[in-house]
Amino acid sequence: EVQLVESGGGLVQPGGSLRLSCAASGFTFRSYRMTWVRQAPGMGLEWLSYISSSGTTIYYADSVKGRFTISRDNAKNSLYLQMNSLRAEDTAVYYCARDFQWLALDHWGQGTLVTVSS
Amino acid sequence: DIQMTQSPSSLSASIGDRVTITCRASQSISSYLNWYQQKPGKAPKFLIYAASTLQSGVPSRFSGSGSGTDFTLTISSLQPEDFGTYYCQQSYSPPYTFGQGTKLEIK
Repeated sequence: EVQLVESGGGLVQPGGSLRLSCAASGFTFRSYRMTWVRQAPGMGLEWLSYISSSGTTIYYADSVKGRFTISRDNAKNSLYLQMNSLRAEDTAVYYCARDFQWLALDHWGQGTLVTVSS
Repeated sequence: DIQMTQSPSSLSASIGDRVTITCRASQSISSYLNWYQQKPGKAPKFLIYAASTLQSGVPSRFSGSGSGTDFTLTISSLQPEDFGTYYCQQSYSPPYTFGQGTKLEIK
């Protein structure tokens, strides 16, 4: 069974940093592209970042470019999102998701809540 | 960036109704269009990819169509478990943007 489990969320002050992790199991992690998506309270889904299976191709949304860094460790079956210079508007539930055919997202984690507040 | 616009933003329908949700892209995305369903407090569920291909396990009452800039998600006979918010997403060109969502309520 495919499982994605996010961790690392919590309360952080504006300007602070946080590193999210996504532990993958039940599939050959190194063979799949991965994506981070977030959802602010009461709002819709926002695509954030993509990383290829090898980690060599990376894309970001403009809203996080230069502040967030996606990475992966295929030996540890883990995906990461390093978030720096956090703002109040980064408050959201952050999901990791597996990329399927046509770059659709076929499996999602349960999400981890990040709250940016003083 | 490609903008995705869904309509309506919300709708209310009765059990057994045929429901159609529209998604429009700001430029052609070929058939790189995906649909998801999300229920409150839950992660999104993947329904359809490549505009019209149903993900394994998704009931056949769901269908998708379209190409280029205009797409539709249709539920042929609405069931109680179909309530939730539906999102389209383009996977043609990064950033792979989502539509703003369509909230479906059961009358």
